[in-house]
Amino acid sequence: QSALTQPASVSGSPGQSITISCTGTSSDVGGYKYVSWFQQHPGKAPKLMIHDVDNRPSGVSNRFSGSKSGNTASLTISGLQAEDEADYYCSSYTSSSTYVFGTGTKVTVL
Amino acid sequence: QVTLKESGPALVKPTQTLTLTCTFSGFSLTTIGMRVSWIRQPPGKALEWLARIDWDDDKFYSTSLKTRLTISKDTSKNQVVLTMTNMDPVDTATYYCARSSGSSGPLFLYWGQGTLVTVSS
Repeated sequence: QSALTQPASVSGSPGQSITISCTGTSSDVGGYKYVSWFQQHPGKAPKLMIHDVDNRPSGVSNRFSGSKSGNTASLTISGLQAEDEADYYCSSYTSSSTYVFGTGTKVTVL
Repeated sequence: QVTLKESGPALVKPTQTLTLTCTFSGFSLTTIGMRVSWIRQPPGKALEWLARIDWDDDKFYSTSLKTRLTISKDTSKNQVVLTMTNMDPVDTATYYCARSSGSSGPLFLYWGQGTLVTVSS
């Protein structure tokens, strides 16, 4: 199972919106409504930000939103804030009943 | 309050078998829909899902590592154990356990703090 493809880095200024893509195949991202997004600050465990493509867990800011089209899922962060600077990972359920993570994206707030 | 904590050796030698324990509280792995996964992250690299065990004792493994992994649970102790055989320096990583529930997707809402395992002679 190959890792899902994410851009290595994305940057934006405070207040702007950015979008991170996550590209897989019809055997994972494209085949199921089971995509999650995680935020990870240095030295910390990942934090679930989005699950089942577009659902936010309780307590997660509504500045974070998820979507999917075909084999590509996306995470949009609107109203970018300094605290959003972190690594972001997508993850998907697969046709083998396993999970696969993305390659990770470093978000920089300029 | 749901908590998970990983424990195990910080250092293992190449070819040895690694045994990690995830001790959790705040939920039972006998409850329908509960699942615990192991996930690792080499220093400076991406997350990698390893294995999952479900409330009904179903077990799932990474296709690339399945020959080396075994996951099990002890519901009386609220523990999930992962063993990985034939350790290699490339297996050096922080190993996390995480709980998912309900959805079949990677709904890892609760994570342990992680434990760093270094493979070196």
